[in-house]
Amino acid sequence: AQSVTQPDIHITVSEGASLELRCNYSYGATPYLFWYVQSPGQGLQLLLKYFSGDTLVQGIKGFEAEFKRSQSSFNLRKPSVHWSDAAEYFCAVVLFSGGYNKLIFGAGTRLAVHP
Amino acid sequence: GAGVSQSPSNKVTEKGKDVELRCDPISGHTALYWYRQSLGQGLEFLIYFQGNSAPDKSGLPSDRFSAERTGGSVSTLTIQRTQQEDSAVYLCASSGRGTDEKLFFGSGTQLSVL
Repeated sequence: AQSVTQPDIHITVSEGASLELRCNYSYGATPYLFWYVQSPGQGLQLLLKYFSGDTLVQGIKGFEAEFKRSQSSFNLRKPSVHWSDAAEYFCAVVLFSGGYNKLIFGAGTRLAVHP
Repeated sequence: GAGVSQSPSNKVTEKGKDVELRCDPISGHTALYWYRQSLGQGLEFLIYFQGNSAPDKSGLPSDRFSAERTGGSVSTLTIQRTQQEDSAVYLCASSGRGTDEKLFFGSGTQLSVL
């Protein structure tokens, strides 16, 4: 069955350090992949998405993600983390069903940032 | 409005009562989703509406859960005879029709069943 796995439940990094959040998917065809961020008290916000083409995609807030088909991964990265990046991050894959799309989310990774 | 609006933002209810959660999608968006986020869990798909097509109800966890979308716009998620395990944040999202349409989320309704 199609699924999305985020192996890390919690990650803590120091401000200014680099960040990588892992995401692995299980899907038969080439997936449409997304990263969303949920800040405390906020709704979900789209960081970036991958549909096709260049496997390295740039998003908002300085985030990027790389699609690696051989590893079934779509890891999120940021070279220098800011305290305001503390939030919950969700990886998602689109599942096509009956001619329309349905987003399937991973369990999320909670990011804490130390000053 | 400018975004997806959900009401109420918080709801506390007693076990066994019925609750209704409302979602106002972005004007013109044909697709509407309901998701549930339980404490420590990822987002769980509940139901999907697309235009006038029959909704995808495959994610509804039990027959106590139902949803309507009137006139292709506002949606109401109803939970009957609430249980404590129903406590969660219920998120609504909307998008246009295309498969690459961006999804816009509301801020959610925090439901607490005592």
